[in-house]
Amino acid sequence: EVQLLDSGGGLVQPGGSLRLSCTASGFTFSSYTMNWVRQAPGKGLEWVSAISGSGVNTYYADSVKGRFTISRDNSRNTLHLQMNSLRAEDTAVYYCAKDSGSSAQNDYWGQGTLVTVSS
Amino acid sequence: DIQMTQSPSTLSASVGDRVTISCRASQTIYTWLAWYQQKPGKAPRLLIYKASSLEGGAPSRFSGSGSGTEFTLTISSLQPDDVATYFCQQYTSYPVTFGGGTKVEIK
Repeated sequence: EVQLLDSGGGLVQPGGSLRLSCTASGFTFSSYTMNWVRQAPGKGLEWVSAISGSGVNTYYADSVKGRFTISRDNSRNTLHLQMNSLRAEDTAVYYCAKDSGSSAQNDYWGQGTLVTVSS
Repeated sequence: DIQMTQSPSTLSASVGDRVTISCRASQTIYTWLAWYQQKPGKAPRLLIYKASSLEGGAPSRFSGSGSGTEFTLTISSLQPDDVATYFCQQYTSYPVTFGGGTKVEIK
């Protein structure tokens, strides 16, 4: 059974940093592109970043480029999102999501972890 | 970036009604479109991919259609369990983008 477990969220001050993690099980982690998608309170879904199975290729939304870094550790089946220079508008539930493999729809999602940026 | 516009933003219908939700892309996305269902406090769930393919485990009352820039999600007979917000997503190219969502309620 595929499982994605998001962790690392919390309360952080503006300008601060936080590192999110997503621990995967039930599939060959290194074979799939992984994503981070966020949802601000009461708002819609916003794609944040993606990383290829090998980790060679990374992609970012303009809203986080230069501040967030996606990475993965295929030996530990773990996806990370390093978030620096956090702003109030980064407040959201962050979900990791797996690409299906055949194409880039997201067939499995983590439960989400809440990041609150506030003084 | 490709903009995705959903309509309506909210709809209210009776149990058993046929419900349709529209999604329009700002440029062609061929059939690289997915539909997700999200219930309050939960992660999104994939319903439809490649515009019209039903994800395994999704109820057969859900169907998708369209290509190019115009797409539709149809619920053939609305059930109480379908109360949720529905999002379309294009995955032609990065950045992946989502529609604003359609909240479905029971009248």
